[in-house]
Amino acid sequence: DAGVTQSPTHLIKTRGQQVTLRCSPKSGHDTVSWYQQALGQGPQFIFQYYEEEERQRGNFPDRFSGHQFPNYSSELNVNALLLGDSALYLCASSFGTLGEQYFGPGTRLTVT
Amino acid sequence: EDQVTQSPEALRLQEGESSSLNCSYTVSGLRGLFWYRQDPGKGPEFLFTLYSAGEEKEKERLKATLTKKESFLHITAPKPEDSATYLCAVRRPVGGSYIPTFGRGTSLIVHP
Repeated sequence: DAGVTQSPTHLIKTRGQQVTLRCSPKSGHDTVSWYQQALGQGPQFIFQYYEEEERQRGNFPDRFSGHQFPNYSSELNVNALLLGDSALYLCASSFGTLGEQYFGPGTRLTVT
Repeated sequence: EDQVTQSPEALRLQEGESSSLNCSYTVSGLRGLFWYRQDPGKGPEFLFTLYSAGEEKEKERLKATLTKKESFLHITAPKPEDSATYLCAVRRPVGGSYIPTFGRGTSLIVHP
């Protein structure tokens, strides 16, 4: 049974560029949530997608946007990258918006 | 302001030395408290969900308990492989939705 997968594993971008991160949910799950985790901190909730719509959003600017596809996979897009966007980006999937969340391995983004 | 606080920040134990980690919260309308284990550079691994005061759950050497203001993760006779960061998260109501909020975690090191 495949768990949550994320790509790429690592990414290096330059300030001002745009980035797209991808996530495939655990088999049987239909909801995807995205988190940002800075070093030494707990994950911070960015947003959640269910039925191809953004259902909940944390305190992140509009530079952060997402999409969910009919097969439940999801993308996180970040525009106009800042140095402070450097972090581990985590995807979590669940069955329904209130289900238990299972996390992927994350994408390490470095902005230089 | 809603807050999740974990203590201690770091804990060093000898193999077999039992102890407890604390997660205190000031959230109104809690809709679930979650414990995760996170190894360095990896995504969090789901451990437990607790919903109501007095609830307890166990898994191998770990036992999670919940009161109205805090949760404890008890580790009995820990082994070196239990070394990891343990994260606590609460799901709180925000504008008709539920947003998860994580604590900073407790870094546990178990020495052989």
